Amino acid sequence: NAGVTQTPKFQVLKTGQSMTLQCAQDMNHEYMSWYRQDPGMGLRLIHYSVGAGITDQGEVPNGYNVSRSTTEDFPLRLLSAAPSQTSVYFCASSYTTGANSPLHFGNGTRLTVT
Amino acid sequence: GIQVEQSPPDLILQEGANSTLRCNFSDSVNNLQWFHQNPWGQLINLFYIPSGTKQNGRLSATTVATERYSLLYISSSQTTDSGVYFCAVSNDYKLSFGAGTTVTVRA
Repeated sequence: NAGVTQTPKFQVLKTGQSMTLQCAQDMNHEYMSWYRQDPGMGLRLIHYSVGAGITDQGEVPNGYNVSRSTTEDFPLRLLSAAPSQTSVYFCASSYTTGANSPLHFGNGTRLTVT
Repeated sequence: GIQVEQSPPDLILQEGANSTLRCNFSDSVNNLQWFHQNPWGQLINLFYIPSGTKQNGRLSATTVATERYSLLYISSSQTTDSGVYFCAVSNDYKLSFGAGTTVTVRA
């Protein structure tokens, strides 16, 4: 198993540009989520999905869209990038949200918006 | 969301020392996990422990759910234990993270 795969690893955008961060998992996990990590603030939940066709907002959803058309993929879209979205983005998945379902993380995407 | 406080914020250890990291949370939870972020930025799941005690090698964790805290113990620390340790909790689908404890183990 490759686990959780994120692409790209690094990205530089100009203000106003759009892009999609890709996330795929091959573990047949129901639950997938996106976090951003900023210095000194831990990880904050952007959006999550409990299964194909179902998504919901986390703590900091503004400026981001998601969709979940398949169990494997959970892309994160930035519609109009802003400097405040400079961050490291992590995708994570778990088998369910129930008991004994540890969260597995991808290796992250470092995004810089100038 | 649930508030998560981790202490201490920073910890410097000599190789071979033992340490305890603490995680306090503001509400009842049914999901508590500990993670290690290594110096390369990778996040590794250490424990899924909403209650009780677990051990994995030199690491162990205890969660006292009724008192809303969890402890992570590192014994005989090694330089490879360096990094940031995060506690994350949830009582719904939204896992909330603490700000982390940065551990530096010196040879």
